[in-house]
Amino acid sequence: SQTIHQWPATLVQPVGSPLSLECTVEGTSNPNLYWYRQAAGRGLQLLFYSVGIGQISSEVPQNLSASRPQDRQFILSSKKLLLSDSGFYLCAWKEGISGNTIYFGEGSWLTVV
Amino acid sequence: AQSVAQPEDQVNVAEGNPLTVKCTYSVSGNPYLFWYVQYPNRGLQFLLKYITGDNLVKGSYGFEAEFNKSQTSFHLKKPSALVSDSALYFCAVHGGYNKLIFGAGTRLAVHP
Repeated sequence: SQTIHQWPATLVQPVGSPLSLECTVEGTSNPNLYWYRQAAGRGLQLLFYSVGIGQISSEVPQNLSASRPQDRQFILSSKKLLLSDSGFYLCAWKEGISGNTIYFGEGSWLTVV
Repeated sequence: AQSVAQPEDQVNVAEGNPLTVKCTYSVSGNPYLFWYVQYPNRGLQFLLKYITGDNLVKGSYGFEAEFNKSQTSFHLKKPSALVSDSALYFCAVHGGYNKLIFGAGTRLAVHP
């Protein structure tokens, strides 16, 4: 069966510091991968999605970037964090071609201080 | 553009009573519709989906949803609520190129 792992689960970082959140999916090949952000415990905003290695689509301009160095690895990064980057970040995946359901990881809490 | 609306910020129901969490959508073409549940400090869990076929879809934990094309709705229902059903519920629609567009979420509170 497929599983998704996301880490770290909790992160407290000072303003101006770098960020790296990692996500890996097991048990599938060529998945679509996604990064969402949830602010204030409610709305979900799609940040990035990827349909293959090195292929990244950005949904909103921001201080963050994403990379997909391997088929089942998705990384969310920032060179210099802002206070407004605080939030709950969720990685998700879907079967690349045949699937229609997106499955989420457990999320990473980021607090920028 | 595709969109989803969850008109209720919170739904309160007594344990044992039926519950309904409302969702309406706006899409061009045939919609792919989903419900997810989120417990505190956790990721989203998939509950059920409508792609095609029977308008009544059954999912996890005894939940079901009814697709109504004429009313552009996809309400989530359960015949008998449990306190453990208390959580945040999201309706979503495929927004093109396999992306999900989410509603704002509805907080369900089930009281003993």
